[in-house]
Amino acid sequence: AQKVTQAQTEISVVEKEDVTLDCVYETRDTTYYLFWYKQPPSGELVFLIRRNSFDEQNEISGRYSWNFQKSTSSFNFTITASQVVDSAVYFCALRSVDSSYKLIFGSGTRLLVRP
Amino acid sequence: DTGVSQNPRHKITKRGQNVTFRCDPISEHNRLYWYRQTLGQGPEFLTYFQNEAQLEKSRLLSDRFSAERPKGSFSTLEIQRTEQGDSAMYLCASSQGNSNQPQHFGDGTRLSIL
Repeated sequence: AQKVTQAQTEISVVEKEDVTLDCVYETRDTTYYLFWYKQPPSGELVFLIRRNSFDEQNEISGRYSWNFQKSTSSFNFTITASQVVDSAVYFCALRSVDSSYKLIFGSGTRLLVRP
Repeated sequence: DTGVSQNPRHKITKRGQNVTFRCDPISEHNRLYWYRQTLGQGPEFLTYFQNEAQLEKSRLLSDRFSAERPKGSFSTLEIQRTEQGDSAMYLCASSQGNSNQPQHFGDGTRLSIL
């Protein structure tokens, strides 16, 4: 079975704080992709990053960074120096190449950044 | 790149009515996906097309639901005899041919059943 767990339902931080959003996944497939999407109040899911299962190198893009660890089946997302515009629901998703093109989403983490 | 376009943005209808939603994918994308999202949950996969062929359907897609992509471009999702439980956001996404390409989502159609 494939599953994505985002245990943090809601996180509230004050602007400029760093925040980490956790994502744990389950799959039996050896080849898979992991994704993070942002859903602002407007509703559109915005693609942030894709990682494949063979590339455990961490990635940084501006204030965003991602930590992929196969040993713990985790793909965590850190926002450094958070801003009010970062307030949104963030979804982690999994796609196993061997079985399907569909995305399996977690239940999301709502991030509120207060000024 | 105009993005994925969905119409209408909102649909309010009475229980038992039929509704149809439209999705226009990014023009060069050959794969098109439909998802459903209820409040407080992540999107759940419904079905996907490669060009005009419907290649996978979720068990969530009951016989009251039908999706088409007749010319391999836009797609429609029809729900017949709507029920209260159909109230949700219906999201469309598209992607290019390679399996590692991300899916790009539209703004969704929010369906409310009275």
